[in-house]
Amino acid sequence: TQLLEQSPQFLSIQEGENLTVYCNSSSVFSSLQWYRQEPGEGPVLLVTVVTGGEVKKLKRLTFQFGDARKDSSLHITAAQPGDTGLYLCAGADRGSTLGRLYFGRGTQLTVWP
Amino acid sequence: SQTIHQWPATLVQPVGSPLSLECTVEGTSNPNLYWYRQAAGRGLQLLFYSVGIGQISSEVPQNLSASRPQDRQFILSSKKLLLSDSGFYLCAWSVGQGYSPLHFGNGTRLTVT
Repeated sequence: TQLLEQSPQFLSIQEGENLTVYCNSSSVFSSLQWYRQEPGEGPVLLVTVVTGGEVKKLKRLTFQFGDARKDSSLHITAAQPGDTGLYLCAGADRGSTLGRLYFGRGTQLTVWP
Repeated sequence: SQTIHQWPATLVQPVGSPLSLECTVEGTSNPNLYWYRQAAGRGLQLLFYSVGIGQISSEVPQNLSASRPQDRQFILSSKKLLLSDSGFYLCAWSVGQGYSPLHFGNGTRLTVT
């Protein structure tokens, strides 16, 4: 069962453009994490959002957690080629003390110079 | 600082052959350990997780197994590989519960021929 739907699946843009990636679910999560993965490597954590409505900024990246804690978005301003990669969202299961994570399929972002 | 080592980086094995992938973590005690598989175009599928030595939980029934012989060592095995076992295998660790992020190794690209 795919609990987290990410869109778009692929995104190809020019350097300097803005973009938004979405992560949606019908389930409520205790927290949501965003990772970036480069080819041949493991994902690396970008941010964790915990509170409904929370907004976090990481340089040109802005992450938002939905008020109902069912969805999240990632907005990148003035994208650069170094932003290229697979962006994965992962929701933590509220019912699990381990914080079991459910991953979306990811958005493959390519930024052309 | 904590580090995670995963090997081999790439592996080509014939159908029906055995498999052993190893993962070790340094710099932390009693980590939660995970094995994920990532197929092309898909997100991460949790295969096994462990909260302590000898404690293994399986998420997906299949011909793979996992063992944790030492606190910071996690092994993924198979007695007979199937073509469908091909994929990118990632080991990860976390500490505590709840919102703890996952720290991934660099993965093993397994091709079953």
